Parts: sequence; C-alpha cells; structure tokens
Amino acid sequence: DQQVKQNSPSLSVQEGRISILNCDYTNSMFDYFLWYKKYPAEGPTFLISISSIKDKNEDGRFTVFLNKSAKHLSLHIVPSQPGDSAVYFCAARGNNNNDMRFGAGTRLTVKP
Amino acid sequence: ETGVTQTPRHLVMGMTNKKSLKCEQHLGHNAMYWYKQSAKKPLELMFVYNFKEQTENNSVPSRFSPECPNSSHLFLHLHTLQPEDSALYLCASSPGGGRTNYGYTFGSGTRLTVV
Repeated sequence: DQQVKQNSPSLSVQEGRISILNCDYTNSMFDYFLWYKKYPAEGPTFLISISSIKDKNEDGRFTVFLNKSAKHLSLHIVPSQPGDSAVYFCAARGNNNNDMRFGAGTRLTVKP
Repeated sequence: ETGVTQTPRHLVMGMTNKKSLKCEQHLGHNAMYWYKQSAKKPLELMFVYNFKEQTENNSVPSRFSPECPNSSHLFLHLHTLQPEDSALYLCASSPGGGRTNYGYTFGSGTRLTVV
C-alpha cells in the first residue's frame, strides 16, 4: 500500500527557472511532511519540512506548499541551479516519528 | 567521524553466504532504522530500534536479522538471501524518544547484489 506517491519519476528544468516537484498522499493521519535530496552514492539528506498546521514553509530557494484538502504537497526550487540535480524524495509521518513513509522519488535534472 | 557511517559500501554475496551490514552513528541519537531501496520503488522501512529496543519489524523475511547492541551501532545480518533482495540498504538515525520534528539522518547505504 503506497501511501506516498510521486507520480513523476523525472523532471528536467533549465538553470534559473523554477522546479516544481509534486507529491500526493492518501493517509489523512499524516501530520508532518518532509523532502529529502539524494545524490548518487550518498544517502538522502533532509531538505525541508512542513507541519500539517501550516500551508507553506520557505527556506532560501526552497519552498514547500501543503494542500491538506487535496492531500498534496509540492516543493518549489527557484532559481534552479545545476547543483540541485538529484533525486528528491517526499516523506510523510504518521502517529509517531517511527512511522515515516517515503515516495519513490523524482529525479531532477537542471540543465546549464 | 560524524554522521551515520555504513560499511561495506558495496557487497556481492551468493545465496548461501552469510554476511552482515554495519551502521554506526555519532550523533547521540537514540533511534536507528534500516530501510531498503529498490529501483524505482519507495524506501521501505524494515526495522526500527528505539533506545536499543526493536519497536518495529515491518513484515521482513527472517533471512534478515537485525541487531542493536547499543544506541550507536546497528547491524543487519543476512543469510540465504534471494536475488530479489539485491538493493540499496540504508541506515538512518533520529533523536528518538517519541514524536520529534527532526528529519532522519541517513548513511550512504550499502549496495547489495545477491548472485
């Protein structure tokens, strides 16, 4: 049962433009959402998060938006840089911190 | 050394072999996790240890056996694996002790190939 879905396996964006990565979830009990970034041969690294009591969280070039009614969140990167090229995982947490579910990831390529 | 360290980085083993994956964290965290990442699939949670106690076993086959001797070390013992067990195995840690708003800290993973 895949409770967190990233329907786009890949995304290609020109340097300087906006990258929008999407994520959908099915479990209405999820209350905390995170984005991780993964470079080849490295483990995922925590990027940004948002609590279900908010609809937006911003950190520099990265902004996460949460639409609870649609069970949808998105990660905006602007302006995109070649160094942002990586696989981005969406994750959602349930009743405790040990119950974190991940999506399959979206591979972002930022072209110079 | 800081962060979460996993060894070996790569492992090729036969189906009759016995091997172990090691994970070590120097972050003072109290919770540690094993995840499996297969190609184009979500990260699958395998095991959770909170304060050295196993709190979750996500229906993992018995050919995978975890061990957590202390809050800094986590092992995954492997025996009689199948080719479909080939994947990237990731270890992670978090402060633990219940609900927190911290993301997990992941290791670089062990790329396992079963032949």
